[in-house]
Amino acid sequence: NAGVMQNPRHLVRRRGQEARLRCSPMKGHSHVYWYRQLPEEGLKFMVYLQKENIIDESGMPKERFSAEFPKEGPSILRIQQVVRGDSAAYFCASSATSGRPYNEQFFGPGTRLTVL
Amino acid sequence: RKEVEQDPGPFNVPEGATVAFNCTYSNSASQSFFWYRQDCRKEPKLLMSVYSSGNEDGRFTAQLNRASQYISLLIRDSKLSDSATYLCVVKGNDMRFGAGTRLTVKP
Repeated sequence: NAGVMQNPRHLVRRRGQEARLRCSPMKGHSHVYWYRQLPEEGLKFMVYLQKENIIDESGMPKERFSAEFPKEGPSILRIQQVVRGDSAAYFCASSATSGRPYNEQFFGPGTRLTVL
Repeated sequence: RKEVEQDPGPFNVPEGATVAFNCTYSNSASQSFFWYRQDCRKEPKLLMSVYSSGNEDGRFTAQLNRASQYISLLIRDSKLSDSATYLCVVKGNDMRFGAGTRLTVKP
């Protein structure tokens, strides 16, 4: 039973380019969460999605950032026109719809984005 | 005020020591509580859920005080492998993470 998968693990972009981060949740999980972690800082919630729906995007910057979780395929976090301040580790987590107490989240290995 | 606040650390302790981490949260409607562990440049991993009555898992004990909106984690007989950052996590409508407390256990 594969865990949460993220790719790429490392992504280098120049300022102004687009970054696309992908996340495949654990099998049977339909809730996906994206977090950002800046160096030496804690995890910051960005967005919570279920299939084809954004449930909570209160942590997403208003511009340049978007997320989707289509009916088929992985969840995508998209950052347009990247800037140096976007350099961070981006973690995806997933949780089950039911059957587990407290909706524990399981994390993927993260994508480390470096903007040159 | 941050939604979830933790001891800033870092904690540097010898092997075998007992160490306690504290965490406070601001949202009184929070429903679930967790401790996660994060190793350097790795993803967070669930260490244990925190139940209202307190719970223990081997050398780890978690306590919750809803009235004071306070959570704690106690590690007994610490091992070198316990060195990591410990994240306090509070779930209301979504998950809120504390900034983490770094622990280094030294020989």
